[in-house]
Amino acid sequence: EVQLVESGGGLVQPGGSLRLSCAASGFTSSNYAMSWVRQAPGKGLEWVSTISGSAGTTFYADSVKGRFTISRDTTANTLVLQMNGLRADDTAIYYCARERELIDFWGQGTLVTVSS
Amino acid sequence: DIQMTQSPSTLSASVGDRVTISCRASQTVSRYLAWYQQQPGRAPKLLIYKASSLESGVPSRFSGSGSGTEFTLTISSLQPDDFATYYCQQYNSFPYTFGQGTRLEIK
Repeated sequence: EVQLVESGGGLVQPGGSLRLSCAASGFTSSNYAMSWVRQAPGKGLEWVSTISGSAGTTFYADSVKGRFTISRDTTANTLVLQMNGLRADDTAIYYCARERELIDFWGQGTLVTVSS
Repeated sequence: DIQMTQSPSTLSASVGDRVTISCRASQTVSRYLAWYQQQPGRAPKLLIYKASSLESGVPSRFSGSGSGTEFTLTISSLQPDDFATYYCQQYNSFPYTFGQGTRLEIK
């Protein structure tokens, strides 16, 4: 059974950092591109970042470029999102997602709250 | 960036109704268009990919059509579990972009 389990969310002050992790099971995540998508409270979906399966090419939304870094630990079958310089408008549920050309499976999400 | 615009934003309907949700792209996305369903408090679920291909396990009452810049999602006979929010998404190019969502509510 395919599973994606996010962790690492929480409350952080503006300017702070958080590291989100996504543990994949039921498939080999290095064979797929993987993404992060976020959803601010009561709002729609916003794509954040994608890492390709093989070469590890990365893509970022302009809103997070230079502050967030996506990476993967292939031995642990884990996806990581390092978030620095957090702002209030980064407050959202962050979903980890698998891609087979498109996003076909989502984790349940982890909540990140940026507030003083 | 490619802008995705859905209409309507809210749709009221009854069980058994046929409903259609529209999605327009600001430039062509070919057929690289997906539809997702999101229940309250849950993660999105893939319904349709490549504009009209039904994801495995999704009921056949869901269908998609369109290409280029105009797309539709149709639910042929609404069931109680279908009352949710629906999003279109283009994956033709980065940055991936979503429509603002269509909330389907019980009349």
